[in-house]
Amino acid sequence: GENVEQHPSTLSVQEGDSAVIKCTYSDSASNYFPWYKQELGKGPQLIIDIRSNVGEKKDQRIAVTLNKTAKHFSLHITETQPEDSAVYFCAASDTGGFKTIFGAGTRLFVKA
Amino acid sequence: DTGVSQDPRHKITKRGQNVTFRCDPISEHNRLYWYRQTLGQGPEFLTYFQNEAQLEKSRLLSDRFSAERPKGSFSTLEIQRTEQGDSAMYLCASSKGTAQETQYFGPGTRLLVL
Repeated sequence: GENVEQHPSTLSVQEGDSAVIKCTYSDSASNYFPWYKQELGKGPQLIIDIRSNVGEKKDQRIAVTLNKTAKHFSLHITETQPEDSAVYFCAASDTGGFKTIFGAGTRLFVKA
Repeated sequence: DTGVSQDPRHKITKRGQNVTFRCDPISEHNRLYWYRQTLGQGPEFLTYFQNEAQLEKSRLLSDRFSAERPKGSFSTLEIQRTEQGDSAMYLCASSKGTAQETQYFGPGTRLLVL
């Protein structure tokens, strides 16, 4: 079945450094790739997304890249801040858009 | 704030009891989704509604689970004869209803079955 793998499971960086989280997906029909941030006791919140007709997208300190041939997509956070500490999930869905498959998550620690 | 809301936020129940959770989506969002999230994992799709019609159910949704969205607005998720393995966070999300639309999540209902 469809699968999304996410690495690393835990990431610790110093404040101001960059953080990179990588995901791979198995379903060739996937064409929408959102990234969510989940803080303790809260639901996931969308931080950025990318569609298959685009290779890269940037929003301030956050950027996402997509390689459809290799079925890889990555999240890049620059100039990390302590408030970036949270669990980040990548996800993939197909044209129908209703069945979104999530990765297992990356717990990011930003040390002040 | 007109985001997705869920009630209750926490539920503790004894094994064998029935529980019901409610989700109120963002106004005018046609699609509503239920997910289950266990500790250290990403959300797992359970089911979704397009207006009042339940269009897809995961194999995770056993016969003890039932979801409704009677008027195409709020939704309920009922678990009958709860088991300890049902302990999880139950998340609701909504979207406008077109392809590749962003799903907006509620805060979740954390269920603990003793």
